Amino acid sequence: GESVGLHLPTLSVQEGDNSIINCAYSNSASDYFIWYKQESGKGPQFIIDIRSNMDKRQGQRVTVLLNKTVKHLSLQIAATQPGDSAVYFCAENGYKLSFGAGTTVTVRA
Amino acid sequence: EAQVTQNPRYLITVTGKKLTVTCSQNMNHEYMSWYRQDPGLGLRQIYYSMNVEVTDKGDVPEGYKVSRKEKRNFPLILESPSPNQTSLYFCASRKSGTGGNEQFFGPGTRLTVL
Repeated sequence: GESVGLHLPTLSVQEGDNSIINCAYSNSASDYFIWYKQESGKGPQFIIDIRSNMDKRQGQRVTVLLNKTVKHLSLQIAATQPGDSAVYFCAENGYKLSFGAGTTVTVRA
Repeated sequence: EAQVTQNPRYLITVTGKKLTVTCSQNMNHEYMSWYRQDPGLGLRQIYYSMNVEVTDKGDVPEGYKVSRKEKRNFPLILESPSPNQTSLYFCASRKSGTGGNEQFFGPGTRLTVL
């Protein structure tokens, strides 16, 4: 069956502040967890992934944290910019895979 | 340029008129997938294919067909479209196996069935 990331629907953040986007998952067997960003009018785009045996991974301005004990994943965006306004999805690297509704991030100027 | 292309990008049709949405990728990816995106429901998987001639149902396959005769193409077929298939459709592809976490998505096809 499917395992879908459960997100809070919206997040409003001041430009320059840090953003934290949270996701809960149900399938503990996944090898990787992945974050995608979908800007208005476009398809989702890969941001970063994390292997299930890690608890933290950093990219450019982004950090993903994985807490397997409580089945929780978060994406932190440092110094949020207007271009970060988008819908963010967490997902697993399975084959039969749907995404939840995601979190809509709005950056206030 | 590595990409997933979909055609058409926009389509308005009427109930019962068969249509095909094409999807093509130039990255030699084994895995391809179709999703529909509806407000409040997120991206739901319709069908996926792990390689040529291998397809399987996703979460919402009813009313859709797919085929995978070539590695690069994965068309989505609606034999008899109905208004509840009005949606935004995305095709995606990725490598299988190690290193194949990143799905590449096409630009989307907005379908309206009247």
